[in-house]
Amino acid sequence: NAGVTQTPKFQVLKTGQSMTLQCAQDMNHNSMYWYRQDPGMGLRLIYYSASEGTTDKGEVPNGYNVSRLNKREFSLRLESAAPSQTSVYFCASRLWGGQPQHFGDGTRLSIL
Amino acid sequence: GQQVMQIPQYQHVQEGEDFTTYCNSSTTLSNIQWYKQRPGGHPVFLIQLVKSGEVKKQKRLTFQFGEAKKNSSLHITATQTTDVGTYFCAVNNDMRFGAGTRLTVKP
Repeated sequence: NAGVTQTPKFQVLKTGQSMTLQCAQDMNHNSMYWYRQDPGMGLRLIYYSASEGTTDKGEVPNGYNVSRLNKREFSLRLESAAPSQTSVYFCASRLWGGQPQHFGDGTRLSIL
Repeated sequence: GQQVMQIPQYQHVQEGEDFTTYCNSSTTLSNIQWYKQRPGGHPVFLIQLVKSGEVKKQKRLTFQFGEAKKNSSLHITATQTTDVGTYFCAVNNDMRFGAGTRLTVKP
């Protein structure tokens, strides 16, 4: 019973490098989300996918792209990483809007 | 745009003392969810409130939704060291999170 799985758990990048964060859920949820959490702060929504085939911008989408590959998988891509994107990234899913969110363990990303 | 304010930002209590965190919105909310995040962990869902004036209890935790549906509170009675963590509110279906209240408990 894995829930929400994020890979990798840790990553160090150099400025300008690109990378994709992976997220998969096995709960047959319709909606999936990507957040970033900076030290001592709450979660800020980057992008979300209300259902398979749709994606929408959240509060802080600049510098990121997403792909809802299928119902299970939702990836987040940094095309040209910047130090300001150093953060912990959480993926979450829920059955549909208004239901509780289930979070993955997070990806700790450092950009030098 | 909608703003969600959580107060206080930090709270340090002696074990056995009570603790309350508040979540305030500039607009009327359709629903509010509360989450707990342990240090180094991920947010875990605690409760959802939908109705005006709603009060829900989970053991030592009491959650309340204001009559005007613009604010909410989480109250912990007789804190324990296991209560340590950051408590977040998240509002409406777009899941806008407050900045959280970090609780530390001295044994």
